Amino acid sequence: DAGVTQSPTHLIKTRGQQVTLRCSPKSGHDTVSWYQQALGQGPQFIFQYYEEEERQRGNFPDRFSGHQFPNYSSELNVNALLLGDSALYLCASSLDGIPVVSYEQYFGPGTRLTVT
Amino acid sequence: RKEVEQDPGPFNVPEGATVAFNCTYSNSASQSFFWYRQDCRKEPKLLMSVYSSGNEDGRFTAQLNRASQYISLLIRDSKLSDSATYLCVVSRVSNTGKLIFGQGTTLQVKP
Repeated sequence: DAGVTQSPTHLIKTRGQQVTLRCSPKSGHDTVSWYQQALGQGPQFIFQYYEEEERQRGNFPDRFSGHQFPNYSSELNVNALLLGDSALYLCASSLDGIPVVSYEQYFGPGTRLTVT
Repeated sequence: RKEVEQDPGPFNVPEGATVAFNCTYSNSASQSFFWYRQDCRKEPKLLMSVYSSGNEDGRFTAQLNRASQYISLLIRDSKLSDSATYLCVVSRVSNTGKLIFGQGTTLQVKP
Protein backbone atom coordinates (compact mmCIF):
# COMPACT_ATOMS: atom_id res chain seq x y z
CA ASP A 1 0.00 0.00 0.00
CA ALA A 2 1.70 3.15 -1.23
CA GLY A 3 1.80 6.01 1.21
CA VAL A 4 1.79 9.70 0.38
CA THR A 5 4.46 10.60 -2.15
CA GLN A 6 5.83 14.02 -3.02
CA SER A 7 8.14 15.34 -5.69
CA PRO A 8 10.71 16.70 -5.92
CA THR A 9 12.44 16.01 -2.61
CA HIS A 10 14.61 19.10 -2.81
CA LEU A 11 14.46 22.25 -4.88
CA ILE A 12 16.52 25.42 -5.11
CA LYS A 13 14.97 28.50 -6.69
CA THR A 14 15.81 32.17 -7.05
CA ARG A 15 13.70 35.05 -5.72
CA GLY A 16 10.94 35.97 -8.12
CA GLN A 17 10.74 32.56 -9.74
CA GLN A 18 7.77 30.22 -9.68
CA VAL A 19 7.67 26.66 -8.36
CA THR A 20 5.31 23.68 -8.61
CA LEU A 21 5.31 20.90 -6.05
CA ARG A 22 3.46 17.62 -6.52
CA CYS A 23 1.70 15.18 -4.23
CA SER A 24 0.06 11.79 -4.67
CA PRO A 25 -2.22 10.80 -1.80
CA LYS A 26 -2.29 7.50 0.01
CA SER A 27 -4.27 4.85 -1.82
CA GLY A 28 -7.98 5.25 -1.10
CA HIS A 29 -7.71 8.84 0.13
CA ASP A 30 -9.57 11.65 -1.60
CA THR A 31 -8.55 14.78 0.32
CA VAL A 32 -5.21 16.56 0.13
CA SER A 33 -3.94 19.26 2.46
CA TRP A 34 -0.76 21.29 2.11
CA TYR A 35 1.36 22.62 4.97
CA GLN A 36 4.43 24.84 5.18
CA GLN A 37 6.99 24.12 7.90
CA ALA A 38 9.66 26.71 8.51
CA LEU A 39 12.80 25.69 10.39
CA GLY A 40 12.12 25.24 14.10
CA GLN A 41 8.37 25.72 13.72
CA GLY A 42 5.36 23.46 13.49
CA PRO A 43 3.63 22.98 10.14
CA GLN A 44 1.20 25.72 9.06
CA PHE A 45 -1.91 24.92 7.05
CA ILE A 46 -1.91 26.38 3.53
CA PHE A 47 -5.06 24.92 1.99
CA GLN A 48 -7.05 21.76 1.43
CA TYR A 49 -8.46 20.21 -1.76
CA TYR A 50 -11.44 17.94 -2.04
CA GLU A 51 -13.37 17.02 -5.19
CA GLU A 52 -10.93 19.13 -7.22
CA GLU A 53 -11.83 22.30 -5.37
CA GLU A 54 -10.15 24.33 -2.67
CA ARG A 55 -12.29 23.66 0.37
CA GLN A 56 -10.42 25.59 3.01
CA ARG A 57 -7.53 28.01 3.10
CA GLY A 58 -5.11 29.17 5.74
CA ASN A 59 -3.53 32.58 6.11
CA PHE A 60 -1.36 32.53 3.00
CA PRO A 61 -1.25 35.09 0.17
CA ASP A 62 -2.65 34.51 -3.30
CA ARG A 63 0.86 33.72 -4.53
CA PHE A 64 0.10 30.26 -3.16
CA SER A 65 -2.31 28.34 -5.33
CA GLY A 66 -3.13 24.74 -5.93
CA HIS A 67 -4.95 22.19 -7.94
CA GLN A 68 -6.39 18.73 -7.48
CA PHE A 69 -6.74 16.29 -10.34
CA PRO A 70 -9.44 13.66 -10.92
CA ASN A 71 -7.06 10.97 -9.61
CA TYR A 72 -6.86 12.97 -6.32
CA SER A 73 -3.24 13.98 -6.80
CA SER A 74 -2.46 17.62 -6.17
CA GLU A 75 -0.08 20.43 -7.02
CA LEU A 76 1.03 23.42 -5.01
CA ASN A 77 2.17 26.46 -6.99
CA VAL A 78 4.03 29.40 -5.52
CA ASN A 79 4.61 32.50 -7.64
CA ALA A 80 7.05 35.37 -7.15
CA LEU A 81 9.12 33.45 -4.63
CA LEU A 82 10.44 35.28 -1.59
CA LEU A 83 13.34 34.31 0.66
CA GLY A 84 10.77 33.66 3.40
CA ASP A 85 9.16 30.93 1.32
CA SER A 86 12.13 28.69 2.09
CA ALA A 87 10.64 25.81 4.07
CA LEU A 88 9.62 22.17 4.07
CA TYR A 89 6.34 21.78 2.19
CA LEU A 90 4.29 18.87 3.42
CA CYS A 91 1.37 17.22 1.73
CA ALA A 92 -1.12 15.25 3.83
CA SER A 93 -3.91 13.02 2.64
CA SER A 94 -7.05 11.78 4.31
CA LEU A 95 -10.43 10.27 3.58
CA ASP A 96 -13.34 12.66 3.79
CA GLY A 97 -16.36 11.71 5.82
CA ILE A 98 -14.79 9.64 8.59
CA PRO A 99 -15.65 10.72 12.13
CA VAL A 100 -13.69 13.75 13.24
CA VAL A 101 -12.68 12.11 16.47
CA SER A 102 -10.69 9.49 14.65
CA TYR A 103 -9.60 11.84 11.93
CA GLU A 104 -6.07 11.24 10.78
CA GLN A 105 -3.95 12.80 8.11
CA TYR A 106 -1.01 10.92 6.63
CA PHE A 107 1.92 13.08 5.68
CA GLY A 108 4.30 12.70 2.79
CA PRO A 109 8.08 13.11 3.19
CA GLY A 110 7.90 16.72 2.05
CA THR A 111 9.68 18.90 -0.47
CA ARG A 112 12.45 21.07 0.90
CA LEU A 113 12.42 24.38 -0.95
CA THR A 114 15.32 26.79 -0.71
CA VAL A 115 14.93 30.28 -2.18
CA THR A 116 18.15 32.20 -2.75
CA ARG B 1 -0.57 34.66 20.80
CA LYS B 2 -0.30 31.35 18.97
CA GLU B 3 -3.37 29.13 18.94
CA VAL B 4 -1.37 26.13 20.19
CA GLU B 5 1.57 26.71 22.51
CA GLN B 6 4.27 24.32 23.62
CA ASP B 7 7.53 24.65 25.47
CA PRO B 8 10.08 24.11 22.67
CA GLY B 9 12.65 22.62 25.03
CA PRO B 10 14.98 20.91 24.36
CA PHE B 11 14.36 18.32 27.03
CA ASN B 12 17.52 16.32 27.68
CA VAL B 13 16.83 13.20 29.76
CA PRO B 14 18.69 9.96 30.54
CA GLU B 15 17.42 6.62 29.33
CA GLY B 16 14.72 5.25 31.62
CA ALA B 17 13.51 8.66 32.74
CA THR B 18 9.91 9.78 32.74
CA VAL B 19 9.26 12.99 30.86
CA ALA B 20 6.11 15.09 30.48
CA PHE B 21 5.21 17.57 27.77
CA ASN B 22 2.50 20.16 28.11
CA CYS B 23 0.50 22.08 25.57
CA THR B 24 -2.20 24.74 25.77
CA TYR B 25 -4.69 25.78 23.12
CA SER B 26 -6.60 29.02 22.96
CA ASN B 27 -9.67 28.21 20.86
CA SER B 28 -12.45 26.58 22.89
CA ALA B 29 -14.03 25.40 19.60
CA SER B 30 -11.22 22.87 19.23
CA GLN B 31 -12.69 19.39 19.13
CA SER B 32 -9.96 16.93 18.21
CA PHE B 33 -6.54 16.63 19.76
CA PHE B 34 -3.44 14.73 18.78
CA TRP B 35 0.22 14.22 19.47
CA TYR B 36 2.42 13.81 16.40
CA ARG B 37 6.05 12.75 16.39
CA GLN B 38 8.55 14.21 13.93
CA ASP B 39 12.05 12.85 13.49
CA CYS B 40 14.77 15.15 12.21
CA ARG B 41 14.11 16.17 8.60
CA LYS B 42 11.22 13.72 8.31
CA GLU B 43 7.46 14.08 8.08
CA PRO B 44 5.19 14.20 11.15
CA LYS B 45 3.57 10.91 12.11
CA LEU B 46 0.56 10.43 14.36
CA LEU B 47 1.64 9.19 17.77
CA MET B 48 -1.77 9.14 19.41
CA SER B 49 -5.12 10.84 19.57
CA VAL B 50 -6.08 12.46 22.88
CA TYR B 51 -9.44 11.98 24.54
CA SER B 52 -11.05 13.58 27.56
CA SER B 53 -10.95 10.27 29.40
CA GLY B 54 -7.22 10.04 28.79
CA ASN B 55 -5.59 7.28 26.85
CA GLU B 56 -2.53 5.11 27.08
CA ASP B 57 -0.46 3.32 24.50
CA GLY B 58 2.35 1.35 26.05
CA ARG B 59 4.79 3.79 27.62
CA PHE B 60 2.84 6.80 26.35
CA THR B 61 -0.07 8.43 28.16
CA ALA B 62 -2.02 11.42 26.86
CA GLN B 63 -4.43 13.57 28.85
CA LEU B 64 -6.86 16.31 27.87
CA ASN B 65 -8.33 18.92 30.19
CA ARG B 66 -11.00 20.82 28.24
CA ALA B 67 -11.78 23.20 31.10
CA SER B 68 -8.16 24.37 31.25
CA GLN B 69 -7.59 23.89 27.50
CA TYR B 70 -4.53 21.85 28.31
CA ILE B 71 -3.07 18.69 26.76
CA SER B 72 -0.24 16.56 28.10
CA LEU B 73 1.92 13.69 26.98
CA LEU B 74 3.80 11.48 29.43
CA ILE B 75 6.56 9.15 28.30
CA ARG B 76 7.71 6.53 30.79
CA ASP B 77 10.97 4.57 30.68
CA SER B 78 12.43 6.74 27.90
CA LYS B 79 14.35 5.00 25.13
CA LEU B 80 17.05 6.40 22.89
CA SER B 81 14.61 5.90 20.01
CA ASP B 82 12.15 8.33 21.62
CA SER B 83 14.46 11.21 20.67
CA ALA B 84 12.38 13.37 18.33
CA THR B 85 10.20 16.47 18.21
CA TYR B 86 6.71 16.04 19.63
CA LEU B 87 4.01 18.19 18.09
CA CYS B 88 0.78 19.08 19.86
CA VAL B 89 -2.05 19.34 17.32
CA VAL B 90 -5.68 20.45 17.50
CA SER B 91 -8.49 20.49 14.98
CA ARG B 92 -11.88 22.20 14.99
CA VAL B 93 -15.03 20.42 13.88
CA SER B 94 -16.08 23.39 11.77
CA ASN B 95 -12.83 23.33 9.83
CA THR B 96 -12.73 19.86 8.40
CA GLY B 97 -9.22 18.63 8.16
CA LYS B 98 -7.29 21.74 9.15
CA LEU B 99 -4.72 20.72 11.72
CA ILE B 100 -3.25 23.43 13.91
CA PHE B 101 0.22 22.60 15.14
CA GLY B 102 2.21 23.81 18.07
CA GLN B 103 5.86 24.70 17.65
CA GLY B 104 6.94 21.28 18.85
CA THR B 105 8.94 20.10 21.85
CA THR B 106 12.33 18.53 21.23
CA LEU B 107 13.29 15.50 23.29
CA GLN B 108 16.81 14.13 23.43
CA VAL B 109 17.25 10.88 25.34
CA LYS B 110 20.86 10.20 26.29
CA PRO B 111 22.49 6.90 27.28
